[in-house]
Amino acid sequence: DSGVTQTPKHLITATGQRVTLRCSPRSGDLSVYWYQQSLDQGLQFLIQYYNGEERAKGNILERFSAQQFPDLHSELNLSSLELGDSALYFCASSVGGQGIGEQYFGPGTRLTVT
Amino acid sequence: QKEVEQDPGPLSVPEGAIVSLNCTYSNSAFQYFMWYRQYSRKGPELLMYTYSSGNKEDGRFTAQVDKSSKYISLFIRDSQPSDSATYLCAMSGTDSWGKLQFGAGTQVVVTP
Repeated sequence: DSGVTQTPKHLITATGQRVTLRCSPRSGDLSVYWYQQSLDQGLQFLIQYYNGEERAKGNILERFSAQQFPDLHSELNLSSLELGDSALYFCASSVGGQGIGEQYFGPGTRLTVT
Repeated sequence: QKEVEQDPGPLSVPEGAIVSLNCTYSNSAFQYFMWYRQYSRKGPELLMYTYSSGNKEDGRFTAQVDKSSKYISLFIRDSQPSDSATYLCAMSGTDSWGKLQFGAGTQVVVTP
């Protein structure tokens, strides 16, 4: 158990819908990272937040957004969902904001878009 | 061309053998190198974390980094069936520290 929690474990929704994925980092970690894992693209970095502020951005779609709250939990919002958004979404956390330290991953949320 | 290349396998070895995994990369800015283990689409578990070139050992695991060749390796000694999993290399660099670039992952099967 990495100490990173993610909810829900599974989500099944229809195209065009919007969903919110939630992540709580390990105690003491200030950075939260979101990754998408699909069969064809592998594990892809989406976005990083550090202490409430966006720190780094990957190839995140405009339909996707994230935020980190004062209690340091983070939410990833996915809207206008398409079949291709079906994937595993992982959250990771680390102590610092530079991302130099180790990143610890949560169990993931499996999203299925039908 | 991907920044990080990793043979997807599968790599099948008998129990007790040494498992040898590797990744190559093209970005000279990469400074931090990691190996993760992932079981059946569960969350990746951090195994080894190294900075710059050199070797690091932790129990049955040894990680090597050769920055001059842009090549990293992970060795697992005395492999067990419980080591059967997908092993992912990951790296980050001075251009964006937190943005881990992952390899495709190598599936390893250790047969009793």
